[in-house]
Amino acid sequence: EAGVAQSPRYKIIEKRQSVAFWCNPISGHATLYWYQQILGQGPKLLIQFQNNGVVDDSQLPKDRFSAERLKGVDSTLKIQPAKLEDSAVYLCASNEGAGHNSPLHFGNGTRLTVT
Amino acid sequence: DAKTTQPNSMESNEEEPVHLPCNHSTISGTDYIHWYRQLPSQGPEYVIHGLTSNVNNRMASLAIAEDRKSSTLILHRATLRDAAVYYCIRGGTSYGKLTFGQGTILTVHP
Repeated sequence: EAGVAQSPRYKIIEKRQSVAFWCNPISGHATLYWYQQILGQGPKLLIQFQNNGVVDDSQLPKDRFSAERLKGVDSTLKIQPAKLEDSAVYLCASNEGAGHNSPLHFGNGTRLTVT
Repeated sequence: DAKTTQPNSMESNEEEPVHLPCNHSTISGTDYIHWYRQLPSQGPEYVIHGLTSNVNNRMASLAIAEDRKSSTLILHRATLRDAAVYYCIRGGTSYGKLTFGQGTILTVHP
């Protein structure tokens, strides 16, 4: 099966600019997640979607980050305006549902550098 | 608060078994233990998970202590491709809301 697709692979922007990341989950996976991974740390969940509804966005900095999954399939994550501390890898993951027997499948991420 | 404790790093030789420990002394009765690994420049990859019993799959074995306060991921014969960061995660009712710690960096020597 095709894996989770993310683009772009790399992005370099200046602070205060905006940026968007795209994710296409595995076909049929109802749940989609965005994680942020700062260098040297483990991934941190930003937002979780179930189909096209938000399940958990408690750790999403809503003053600058937004995400949508309009048709319950692919998703975009946007940062506007970017700060230096947003430099990280943004990982998208998906799974069939929220049960423990449905492992997360991660994409290879978008590496964002804010200068 | 990752709620699990792992050594920062471990080393192994190729073709030898590797035992990666994880401490989760405050685990609740319904929390699963999940292991993921992350190879360089890739997203995390599922390895194995379990609740109470020891578990085996094609990638690894998971040994869970009887009191469930600790567990060990076992790679039976390490290869160079197993060099990665290994994350031990407690999965509560909100499975997708996995809280990753810093993991264990496994180095495999040829």
